[in-house]
Amino acid sequence: GEDVEQSLFLSVREGDSSVINCTYTDSSSTYLYWYKQEPGAGLQLLTYIFSNMDMKQDQRLTVLLNKKDKHLSLRIADTQTGDSAIYFCAESIGGGNKLTFGTGTQLKVEL
Amino acid sequence: GAVVSQHPSRVICKSGTSVKIECRSLDFQATTMFWYRQFPKQSLMLMATSNEGSKATYEQGVEKDKFLINHASLTLSTLTVTSAHPEDSSFYICSARGTTPDTQYFGPGTRLTVL
Repeated sequence: GEDVEQSLFLSVREGDSSVINCTYTDSSSTYLYWYKQEPGAGLQLLTYIFSNMDMKQDQRLTVLLNKKDKHLSLRIADTQTGDSAIYFCAESIGGGNKLTFGTGTQLKVEL
Repeated sequence: GAVVSQHPSRVICKSGTSVKIECRSLDFQATTMFWYRQFPKQSLMLMATSNEGSKATYEQGVEKDKFLINHASLTLSTLTVTSAHPEDSSFYICSARGTTPDTQYFGPGTRLTVL
């Protein structure tokens, strides 16, 4: 079945690293994604990882995938106030045709 | 690249009227578009998958006669909420399937308020 879970809330200080976690249940996922949603806006694709990869780094973002434990994480280095948003992980099966979204994690960055 | 627009961004209408929301892929062609609904502080709920030139595929529990979807071209899909009621008030987001990577690119959303 498809079920993607995230913790609801994370608070960090500006300049610290943020780690947002996600667990999924469908082992046949081909791609896993991280999206960012700012208030009143649509979703912005941040990064993605193919299921045969363990790690992907893109500037301040690092994605780790533990396929054995079905665990995905997003690390944001040097978190800034502009990073405050809701972050959704999502998985696709069979190549992007349909996404299953996590519950979303609200990241709050404090000064 | 991979920009998706929605129009209008915000609409307020009276109960019983119909509202049309447009979703356009601006710099790429999308044979597949998706329509989602999002309630406050919740995740996205997929309503339907829209394929160019064919009938949309609706998710379980979504009334196809109430939420009419038309995907007449490779860059435009429309969602019409017919005979809208206050319970239809929500944030509607569309996405278009891109190929590099094979994922969905989202529009900015439309806030519908039915009085």
